[in-house]
Amino acid sequence: DAGITQSPRHKVTETGTPVTLRCHQTENHRYMYWYRQDPGHGLRLIHYSYGVKDTDKGEVSDGYSVSRSKTEDFLLTLESATSSQTSVYFCAISRLAGTKAYEQYFGPGTRLTVT
Amino acid sequence: KNEVEQSPQNLTAQEGEFITINCSYSVGISALHWLQQHPGGGIVSLFMLSSGKKKHGRLIATINIQEKHSSLHITASHPRDSAVYICAAVFGNEKLTFGTGTRLTIIP
Repeated sequence: DAGITQSPRHKVTETGTPVTLRCHQTENHRYMYWYRQDPGHGLRLIHYSYGVKDTDKGEVSDGYSVSRSKTEDFLLTLESATSSQTSVYFCAISRLAGTKAYEQYFGPGTRLTVT
Repeated sequence: KNEVEQSPQNLTAQEGEFITINCSYSVGISALHWLQQHPGGGIVSLFMLSSGKKKHGRLIATINIQEKHSSLHITASHPRDSAVYICAAVFGNEKLTFGTGTRLTIIP
């Protein structure tokens, strides 16, 4: 399972409050990703990181920020949560499989409800 | 635009049937992934392939690069195969673009 944990696993919060989700990995992988999963949309990339302090935006990054101050932790912050951010959030890492191809391994997910 | 489409969206079959789930993509890719997600559960990588065919137990994945199409087959399906199956394509970098998934239900 590539040693990926997410916290919290479930959270209910009110509109306008800040929320931080944490992804932690134990295998020193360079690439980490945050996705959201919504019915009818599949998984969509929010932000990703290719190393400590190196991050970039994905396709649905508005309203989200990330930080990676240590290799093992990738934090996703909703500065002011909105109901449209109610979703299941997955963290993932890329791990080299073979000589040049990468497989992605996913954390268990965080179910966030914004009321 | 980089797009991935899956079909069917939903599939119900009897135990023992041969199952096929299809995935097509819009432009050339460097790799294609098949993932499995059980209800309420996490996402597990089943296959990653860039050409040909791979087999693991009762699961077989194939890809046709010229036709921009991949299939996931399940032989001798079992109720424990009930899950959402997701294909995802890598369009030239390591970021994945996902299909919306196929919900498979196997009836005993």
